[in-house]
Amino acid sequence: AQSVAQPEDQVNVAEGNPLTVKCTYSVSGNPYLFWYVQYPNRGLQFLLKYITGDNLVKGSYGFEAEFNKSQTSFHLKKPSALVSDSALYFCAVRDPAGGSYIPTFGRGTSLIVHP
Amino acid sequence: SQTIHQWPATLVQPVGSPLSLECTVEGTSNPNLYWYRQAAGRGLQLLFYSVGIGQISSEVPQNLSASRPQDRQFILSSKKLLLSDSGFYLCAWIGIGLGMNTEAFFGQGTRLTVV
Repeated sequence: AQSVAQPEDQVNVAEGNPLTVKCTYSVSGNPYLFWYVQYPNRGLQFLLKYITGDNLVKGSYGFEAEFNKSQTSFHLKKPSALVSDSALYFCAVRDPAGGSYIPTFGRGTSLIVHP
Repeated sequence: SQTIHQWPATLVQPVGSPLSLECTVEGTSNPNLYWYRQAAGRGLQLLFYSVGIGQISSEVPQNLSASRPQDRQFILSSKKLLLSDSGFYLCAWIGIGLGMNTEAFFGQGTRLTVV
């Protein structure tokens, strides 16, 4: 079985400060991990993914995420937050060993960047 | 390039009325298609998924049904809407031909309000 957890419902950060949105996962084998962003009344947009290789993955809009196998985490980061980064962020996992094409999404973390 | 279309964007329907939401994909073939519902702007609930024409899997028993009459068309329906059917509905696809590591692409969503 595959699962993902986003322990924070909301993250508040001041503009210009670094931000981190946390995600932990559970799979039987090696995970495929994804981050998506959702703006109000819009569909989810893909930000970045980890499949294999370098643990630090760079994605859209200056975001990056670090895959940590020992801690089963895939936290989303950005060195300097913008007000326009305020949105709902979803972490997702897929277990290739499980043979399923259905990703499991976290509950979402609301990121609020204050001017 | 691949695109996904979902309509309508908003819908207000009376209790007991029928529902039909449509999702179409362009630029790919034989995609896996998914219907999600998002309540209160938070987590995604998988409703249905389809791996091919006429093949529908239901994740949650409810007042809704889905159909896939064509390879790139996925329809969400109801014969009689309930107040509890209100929510934000999202269609998504993953191209299985690209491998299991492919991210999901989402439509823009439909805001359904049952009154």
